[in-house]
Amino acid sequence: DQQVKQNSPSLSVQEGRISILNCDYTNSMFDYFLWYKKYPAEGPTFLISISSIKDKNEDGRFTVFLNKSAKHLSLHIVPSQPGDSAVYFCAASDSGAGSYQLTFGKGTKLSVIP
Amino acid sequence: DAGITQSPRHKVTETGTPVTLRCHQTENHRYMYWYRQDPGHGLRLIHYSYGVKDTDKGEVSDGYSVSRSKTEDFLLTLESATSSQTSVYFCAISTGQVNNEQFFGPGTRLTVL
Repeated sequence: DQQVKQNSPSLSVQEGRISILNCDYTNSMFDYFLWYKKYPAEGPTFLISISSIKDKNEDGRFTVFLNKSAKHLSLHIVPSQPGDSAVYFCAASDSGAGSYQLTFGKGTKLSVIP
Repeated sequence: DAGITQSPRHKVTETGTPVTLRCHQTENHRYMYWYRQDPGHGLRLIHYSYGVKDTDKGEVSDGYSVSRSKTEDFLLTLESATSSQTSVYFCAISTGQVNNEQFFGPGTRLTVL
């Protein structure tokens, strides 16, 4: 049973517009959420995170929103740039579990069109 | 960039042969992880380690074993490789502190013929 779901395998956005990537989770014990970005032939790189005590975290062009009641988070990229074209993975962690494991979604491939 | 290297970066092997992948870190992080990435599956945890000689299974551990004899090295072994183990393997490290991200290595592309 998939605990972290990214239901859109791909997304195309025009350069300069907003990109919105969505993620849903089912495990109510998850309390820390991360977004990773992955270019082809490279390892994933950490982008931004949010703790369950917050509903928004912002870092430059990237903002993550968390709706705990809906078990939903989203990553907003404004403005989108061609260099943002990559696969984005949502991940979640249960900090109380002690193993610091991350559970990943299947990823969304973002294409930013110049 | 976190100091994580993986070797080899690419490997082609035959079904039934043993394969060992190495992850080396220079960050002295306590936790190390092995993931595999497959189309349609995202990243799935194989095994992880929370200290020297301390390891545990992840979501897809069948057919894999691990060892950690030094803080800096985490080995993933396929005792008898199968075609279903063709994948890209990523190592990751973290400090183990609450709400800390994991840092990933560059990956190893393994093809089992």
